[in-house]
Amino acid sequence: GAVVSQHPSWVICKSGTSVKIECRSLDFQATTMFWYRQFPKQSLMLMATSNEGSKATYEQGVEKDKFLINHASLTLSTLTVTSAHPEDSSFYICSVTDRVQETQYFGPGTRLLVL
Amino acid sequence: AQTVTQSQPEMSVQEAETVTLSCTYDTSESDYYLFWYKQPPSRQMILVIRQEAYKQQNATENRFSVNFQKAAKSFSLKISDSQLGDAAMYFCAYSPGSSNTGKLIFGQGTTLQVKP
Repeated sequence: GAVVSQHPSWVICKSGTSVKIECRSLDFQATTMFWYRQFPKQSLMLMATSNEGSKATYEQGVEKDKFLINHASLTLSTLTVTSAHPEDSSFYICSVTDRVQETQYFGPGTRLLVL
Repeated sequence: AQTVTQSQPEMSVQEAETVTLSCTYDTSESDYYLFWYKQPPSRQMILVIRQEAYKQQNATENRFSVNFQKAAKSFSLKISDSQLGDAAMYFCAYSPGSSNTGKLIFGQGTTLQVKP
């Protein structure tokens, strides 16, 4: 079964609104989760590293005030796209690392469409 | 900065034949992991194979094998006896460090078409 879940699987919102995406680790606790963005027919780009109990680490060029990340528990990380605009429309994917198995598991992704 | 390059945007192979997907990377580190991921139309990322840089032996997983050339910073994927279900986008990925932290840098991807 699924090891990582994401909710919602897809969302449509109006420009200017905020959207929250959840990533849950179902089988193990994760102190670190990763958020990626993928535009159509393009690669996955790492946006940020979500750290449980501390601030997220953002990759260069990613606006931390626009993409708010909260990792409040060992099984849940949330990505909030604030004041979304059409250019934020993308596929957002989270991943979780099982440090015991040294294996990454990806969520099924969330499709965001901003009108 | 580490980079991963896949120079083949698209590849096609006849069913039951063999195809090789290319990947090169750039890093100054000596310890790292390399991966090949498959992304079918569902967009769920599926791990195909992984290679630890300290291991000289090339990784294999059933019909999938890699040719890891550390000095040349090359990491190609060979798919033998190609099946229709192998059709997907394939990403080469790099993860820095001596332990698998999960932070991945992806190549641009190669779309593989399998012809019946």
